Amino acid sequence: AQSVTQLGSHVSVSEGALVLLRCNYSSSVPPYLFWYVQYPNQGLQLLLKYTTGATLVKGINGFEAEFKKSETSFHLTKPSAHMSDAAEYFCAVSFSSGNTPLVFGKGTRLSVIA
Amino acid sequence: KAGVTQTPRYLIKTRGQQVTLSCSPISGHRSVSWYQQTPGQGLQFLFEYFSETQRNKGNFPGRFSGRQFSNSRSEMNVSTLELGDSALYLCASRTSVATYTNTEAFFGQGTRLTVV
Repeated sequence: AQSVTQLGSHVSVSEGALVLLRCNYSSSVPPYLFWYVQYPNQGLQLLLKYTTGATLVKGINGFEAEFKKSETSFHLTKPSAHMSDAAEYFCAVSFSSGNTPLVFGKGTRLSVIA
Repeated sequence: KAGVTQTPRYLIKTRGQQVTLSCSPISGHRSVSWYQQTPGQGLQFLFEYFSETQRNKGNFPGRFSGRQFSNSRSEMNVSTLELGDSALYLCASRTSVATYTNTEAFFGQGTRLTVV
């Protein structure tokens, strides 16, 4: 079955530290991959997306993600966390088969400690 | 360009009642999807509409229904509300007509439904 797994429902980092949020998917055909961010009481906002081509994708607010086909992963990173990065992050996948437009992971809540 | 607009933002209903939520997509977007977001479950797909037709449906009971109008605005309805229906309901619109797509989905701010 096609699925999206985000490891860690809650990640806590110190301000200035590396942020690493993990996302794995299950599919034999490379899907289209997205990372969204949700601030409290808000909808989801696109951070970045992978389509084809370069496997390292740069997004907004200093975030980037690397697509690794062999590991079926699309982990999100940011070199230096800022207090304003505290939010919930969702990995989303558009699979080549199936009827769901976007399948979301369960989300990872990022806390940034001063 | 206006974003996706969902109304109302907050709603409190009693068990057994029904509720209708509204979503106005970005101008020119013909695909509208609905998701239910609850703590611990993440975002679960409800249904997708394109050109006034329900194209896809998630694994929800028949109490959940929706429709899309000719101007692409969409509504979802939940009948006979249960306490477990309390959630944030999110609407998203896209330009793409394909399910398998790299097109970004734009989300509204959601409607927070509380069932008491």
